[in-house]
Amino acid sequence: RKEVEQDPGPFNVPEGATVAFNCTYSNSASQSFFWYRQDCRKEPKLLMSVYSSGNEDGRFTAQLNRASQYISLLIRDSKLSDSATYLCVVNRVYRDDKIIFGKGTRLHILP
Amino acid sequence: EAGVTQSPTHLIKTRGQQATLRCSPISGHTSVYWYQQALGLGLQFLLWYDEGEERNRGNFPPRFSGRQFPNYSSELNVNALELEDSALYLCASSLGGWAKNIQYFGAGTRLSVL
Repeated sequence: RKEVEQDPGPFNVPEGATVAFNCTYSNSASQSFFWYRQDCRKEPKLLMSVYSSGNEDGRFTAQLNRASQYISLLIRDSKLSDSATYLCVVNRVYRDDKIIFGKGTRLHILP
Repeated sequence: EAGVTQSPTHLIKTRGQQATLRCSPISGHTSVYWYQQALGLGLQFLLWYDEGEERNRGNFPPRFSGRQFPNYSSELNVNALELEDSALYLCASSLGGWAKNIQYFGAGTRLSVL
């Protein structure tokens, strides 16, 4: 089983809709979690950190479920500019520090 | 404030040659990370440097090496280049070790091996 898994998509979603995707992780020692966004042929950029209690930033909501070992990202009222690949990032501090990027979920917002 | 800068933007080499990629972190950041992103694939962790020391290494052969200088800038060296080394190489920096620290990425160096 891969340490971090994401549905590669693509998710094709009409503008204005709500979309959600999950990211599962296998190591329970994982300590911190992030969502990054990567536009085509560009570098990844931090979208938001994921806190245990869940957190919201405008149209974006991130949640962590430690019991089931997954994080989620919800995008409300999607915009054309939300089209990108969303990378799940898991930091683990267990014997050795390790950071693992998921392969990403591609999102296409359709006009 | 300047972000993470990488040079060169593009690099073309032939099989067997050596490539040197450079990265300057955000001012105040002591940790530098290197990643490889081959076309259509996810980011693969290569190396992590902090305070001039190599802290962790991904599953890459020894011909991938690097160093971090006293000013925290870093260099990635790839020896005996192979065709499959063609990829986007991304550098990121953060404040200290990685457990909770956000990484900020440079725009990358696109390496093409012919």
